[in-house]
Amino acid sequence: DAGITQSPRHKVTETGTPVTLRCHQTENHRYMYWYRQDPGHGLRLIHYSYGVKDTDKGEVSDGYSVSRSKTEDFLLTLESATSSQTSVYFCAISDRGRNGEQYFGPGTRLTVT
Amino acid sequence: KNEVEQSPQNLTAQEGEFITINCSYSVGISALHWLQQHPGGGIVSLFMLSSGKKKHGRLIATINIQEKHSSLHITASHPRDSAVYICAAPRDFGNEKLTFGTGTRLTIIP
Repeated sequence: DAGITQSPRHKVTETGTPVTLRCHQTENHRYMYWYRQDPGHGLRLIHYSYGVKDTDKGEVSDGYSVSRSKTEDFLLTLESATSSQTSVYFCAISDRGRNGEQYFGPGTRLTVT
Repeated sequence: KNEVEQSPQNLTAQEGEFITINCSYSVGISALHWLQQHPGGGIVSLFMLSSGKKKHGRLIATINIQEKHSSLHITASHPRDSAVYICAAPRDFGNEKLTFGTGTRLTIIP
Protein backbone atom coordinates (compact mmCIF):
# COMPACT_ATOMS: atom_id res chain seq x y z
CA ASP A 1 0.00 0.00 0.00
CA ALA A 2 1.10 3.53 -0.77
CA GLY A 3 2.20 5.42 2.33
CA ILE A 4 -0.60 7.91 2.81
CA THR A 5 -1.99 9.03 6.13
CA GLN A 6 -4.73 11.49 6.95
CA SER A 7 -5.29 13.31 10.20
CA PRO A 8 -7.50 13.54 12.04
CA ARG A 9 -9.48 10.45 11.07
CA HIS A 10 -12.63 11.75 12.75
CA LYS A 11 -13.60 15.25 13.77
CA VAL A 12 -16.72 16.95 15.07
CA THR A 13 -16.73 20.72 14.95
CA GLU A 14 -19.17 23.57 15.23
CA THR A 15 -20.46 25.78 12.45
CA GLY A 16 -18.23 28.77 11.87
CA THR A 17 -15.01 27.28 13.20
CA PRO A 18 -11.93 26.82 11.02
CA VAL A 19 -10.81 23.25 10.38
CA THR A 20 -7.61 21.92 8.83
CA LEU A 21 -7.22 18.39 7.52
CA ARG A 22 -3.78 17.00 6.81
CA CYS A 23 -2.65 14.54 4.19
CA HIS A 24 0.86 13.14 4.53
CA GLN A 25 2.64 10.87 2.04
CA THR A 26 5.95 9.05 2.14
CA GLU A 27 6.00 8.14 -1.58
CA ASN A 28 7.44 11.39 -2.93
CA HIS A 29 4.60 11.56 -5.47
CA ARG A 30 4.18 14.85 -7.30
CA TYR A 31 0.39 14.98 -7.51
CA MET A 32 -1.94 15.19 -4.51
CA TYR A 33 -5.72 15.51 -4.46
CA TRP A 34 -8.48 16.26 -1.98
CA TYR A 35 -11.93 14.73 -2.58
CA ARG A 36 -15.16 14.66 -0.68
CA GLN A 37 -17.59 11.77 -0.74
CA ASP A 38 -21.29 12.21 -0.03
CA PRO A 39 -24.24 9.83 -0.38
CA GLY A 40 -25.71 9.95 -3.87
CA HIS A 41 -22.62 11.61 -5.32
CA GLY A 42 -19.46 10.17 -6.68
CA LEU A 43 -16.18 11.34 -5.28
CA ARG A 44 -15.80 15.02 -6.11
CA LEU A 45 -12.55 16.88 -6.46
CA ILE A 46 -12.07 19.84 -4.13
CA HIS A 47 -8.50 20.91 -4.96
CA TYR A 48 -5.40 19.29 -6.29
CA SER A 49 -1.68 19.99 -6.35
CA TYR A 50 0.79 19.29 -9.13
CA GLY A 51 3.85 20.29 -7.15
CA VAL A 52 5.05 22.25 -4.15
CA LYS A 53 3.14 25.53 -4.01
CA ASP A 54 1.27 24.59 -7.23
CA THR A 55 -2.43 24.02 -6.72
CA ASP A 56 -5.64 24.21 -8.74
CA LYS A 57 -9.34 24.18 -8.00
CA GLY A 58 -11.64 21.25 -8.48
CA GLU A 59 -15.37 21.18 -9.04
CA VAL A 60 -16.42 21.87 -5.42
CA SER A 61 -13.74 24.27 -4.19
CA ASP A 62 -15.95 26.99 -2.68
CA GLY A 63 -15.34 27.30 1.06
CA TYR A 64 -12.06 25.38 0.94
CA SER A 65 -8.44 26.38 0.61
CA VAL A 66 -5.29 24.28 0.33
CA SER A 67 -1.59 24.61 0.85
CA ARG A 68 1.39 22.54 -0.08
CA SER A 69 4.66 23.86 1.30
CA LYS A 70 6.52 20.54 0.95
CA THR A 71 6.14 17.46 -1.19
CA GLU A 72 4.85 15.20 1.55
CA ASP A 73 2.08 17.36 3.02
CA PHE A 74 -1.13 18.70 1.50
CA LEU A 75 -3.41 20.63 3.85
CA LEU A 76 -7.11 21.28 3.32
CA THR A 77 -8.64 24.16 5.28
CA LEU A 78 -12.28 24.95 5.81
CA GLU A 79 -12.12 28.64 6.64
CA SER A 80 -15.50 28.69 8.40
CA ALA A 81 -17.10 25.27 8.53
CA THR A 82 -20.74 24.87 7.50
CA SER A 83 -23.10 21.93 7.90
CA SER A 84 -22.96 21.34 4.12
CA GLN A 85 -19.29 20.47 4.56
CA THR A 86 -20.15 17.45 6.68
CA SER A 87 -18.64 14.69 4.60
CA VAL A 88 -15.94 12.07 4.29
CA TYR A 89 -12.75 13.58 2.91
CA PHE A 90 -10.21 11.51 0.99
CA CYS A 91 -6.72 12.45 0.00
CA ALA A 92 -5.10 10.76 -3.00
CA ILE A 93 -1.66 10.80 -4.56
CA SER A 94 -0.27 9.99 -7.99
CA ASP A 95 3.21 9.98 -9.43
CA ARG A 96 2.11 10.43 -13.05
CA GLY A 97 -0.95 12.67 -12.94
CA ARG A 98 -3.18 11.98 -15.92
CA ASN A 99 -1.11 8.93 -16.85
CA GLY A 100 -1.07 7.28 -13.46
CA GLU A 101 -3.24 5.55 -10.94
CA GLN A 102 -4.32 7.37 -7.83
CA TYR A 103 -3.71 5.94 -4.38
CA PHE A 104 -6.10 6.91 -1.63
CA GLY A 105 -5.68 7.68 2.03
CA PRO A 106 -7.98 6.16 4.67
CA GLY A 107 -10.35 9.14 4.79
CA THR A 108 -11.42 11.68 7.40
CA ARG A 109 -14.99 11.77 8.61
CA LEU A 110 -15.92 15.39 9.39
CA THR A 111 -19.15 16.36 11.09
CA VAL A 112 -20.11 20.03 11.35
CA THR A 113 -22.86 20.64 13.91
CA LYS B 1 -17.28 17.75 -18.48
CA ASN B 2 -17.35 14.00 -18.76
CA GLU B 3 -20.52 12.31 -17.56
CA VAL B 4 -19.78 8.92 -16.04
CA GLU B 5 -22.60 6.45 -15.47
CA GLN B 6 -22.46 3.03 -13.92
CA SER B 7 -24.90 0.16 -13.98
CA PRO B 8 -26.32 -1.49 -12.08
CA GLN B 9 -26.36 0.64 -8.93
CA ASN B 10 -26.81 -2.43 -6.78
CA LEU B 11 -26.06 -6.06 -7.51
CA THR B 12 -26.62 -9.11 -5.35
CA ALA B 13 -25.34 -12.50 -6.48
CA GLN B 14 -24.57 -15.94 -5.17
CA GLU B 15 -21.03 -17.02 -4.48
CA GLY B 16 -19.40 -18.40 -7.61
CA GLU B 17 -21.40 -16.34 -10.08
CA PHE B 18 -19.80 -14.35 -12.89
CA ILE B 19 -20.25 -10.62 -12.25
CA THR B 20 -20.35 -7.77 -14.75
CA ILE B 21 -20.40 -4.08 -13.86
CA ASN B 22 -20.70 -1.49 -16.61
CA CYS B 23 -19.41 2.03 -17.00
CA SER B 24 -20.13 4.49 -19.79
CA TYR B 25 -18.73 7.96 -20.29
CA SER B 26 -19.57 10.83 -22.59
CA VAL B 27 -16.24 12.39 -23.60
CA GLY B 28 -13.27 10.70 -25.25
CA ILE B 29 -10.53 9.90 -22.76
CA SER B 30 -6.97 8.67 -22.50
CA ALA B 31 -7.60 6.13 -19.73
CA LEU B 32 -10.31 4.90 -17.40
CA HIS B 33 -9.95 3.91 -13.76
CA TRP B 34 -11.67 1.19 -11.74
CA LEU B 35 -11.61 1.45 -7.95
CA GLN B 36 -12.88 -0.69 -5.11
CA GLN B 37 -14.24 0.76 -1.88
CA HIS B 38 -14.28 -1.69 0.98
CA PRO B 39 -17.17 -1.83 3.47
CA GLY B 40 -14.86 -0.10 5.95
CA GLY B 41 -14.47 2.84 3.56
CA GLY B 42 -10.96 2.35 2.19
CA ILE B 43 -10.50 2.93 -1.55
CA VAL B 44 -8.14 0.85 -3.66
CA SER B 45 -7.18 1.35 -7.28
CA LEU B 46 -7.89 -1.83 -9.27
CA PHE B 47 -7.12 -0.88 -12.86
CA MET B 48 -6.19 1.96 -15.12
CA LEU B 49 -6.67 1.05 -18.75
CA SER B 50 -6.63 2.86 -22.05
CA SER B 51 -7.40 0.02 -24.46
CA GLY B 52 -8.28 -3.64 -24.65
CA LYS B 53 -8.30 -5.72 -21.51
CA LYS B 54 -6.44 -6.09 -18.21
CA LYS B 55 -6.58 -8.97 -15.74
CA HIS B 56 -5.62 -9.22 -12.08
CA GLY B 57 -6.48 -12.55 -10.55
CA ARG B 58 -10.25 -13.03 -10.85
CA LEU B 59 -10.84 -9.44 -11.96
CA ILE B 60 -10.93 -8.47 -15.62
CA ALA B 61 -11.46 -4.98 -16.99
CA THR B 62 -12.23 -4.20 -20.61
CA ILE B 63 -12.66 -0.95 -22.45
CA ASN B 64 -14.08 0.00 -25.85
CA ILE B 65 -12.80 3.48 -26.63
CA GLN B 66 -15.00 3.91 -29.71
CA GLU B 67 -18.17 3.07 -27.79
CA LYS B 68 -17.03 4.94 -24.65
CA HIS B 69 -17.77 1.93 -22.49
CA SER B 70 -15.91 -0.19 -19.98
CA SER B 71 -16.81 -3.31 -18.05
CA LEU B 72 -15.45 -4.87 -14.88
CA HIS B 73 -15.88 -8.62 -14.58
CA ILE B 74 -15.37 -10.83 -11.56
CA THR B 75 -15.07 -14.55 -12.12
CA ALA B 76 -15.91 -17.12 -9.42
CA SER B 77 -17.21 -14.38 -7.12
CA HIS B 78 -16.61 -14.67 -3.38
CA PRO B 79 -18.17 -12.90 -0.38
CA ARG B 80 -14.92 -10.99 0.10
CA ASP B 81 -15.61 -9.32 -3.27
CA SER B 82 -18.53 -7.52 -1.63
CA ALA B 83 -17.71 -3.84 -1.99
CA VAL B 84 -18.59 -0.72 -3.96
CA TYR B 85 -16.93 -0.61 -7.38
CA ILE B 86 -16.32 2.83 -8.83
CA CYS B 87 -15.25 3.86 -12.31
CA ALA B 88 -13.65 7.21 -13.05
CA ALA B 89 -12.71 9.03 -16.23
CA PRO B 90 -10.77 12.22 -16.89
CA ARG B 91 -12.96 15.31 -17.24
CA ASP B 92 -11.75 15.53 -20.81
CA PHE B 93 -8.93 14.09 -22.84
CA GLY B 94 -5.59 14.61 -21.14
CA ASN B 95 -7.05 16.17 -18.00
CA GLU B 96 -5.66 15.17 -14.59
CA LYS B 97 -9.00 15.79 -12.93
CA LEU B 98 -11.22 12.74 -12.70
CA THR B 99 -15.00 12.46 -12.77
CA PHE B 100 -16.27 9.55 -10.73
CA GLY B 101 -19.34 7.39 -11.15
CA THR B 102 -21.60 6.94 -8.14
CA GLY B 103 -20.54 3.32 -7.78
CA THR B 104 -22.03 -0.15 -7.94
CA ARG B 105 -22.68 -1.84 -4.61
CA LEU B 106 -21.94 -5.54 -4.98
CA THR B 107 -23.06 -8.09 -2.41
CA ILE B 108 -22.01 -11.72 -2.76
CA ILE B 109 -24.06 -14.16 -0.72
CA PRO B 110 -22.35 -17.36 0.48
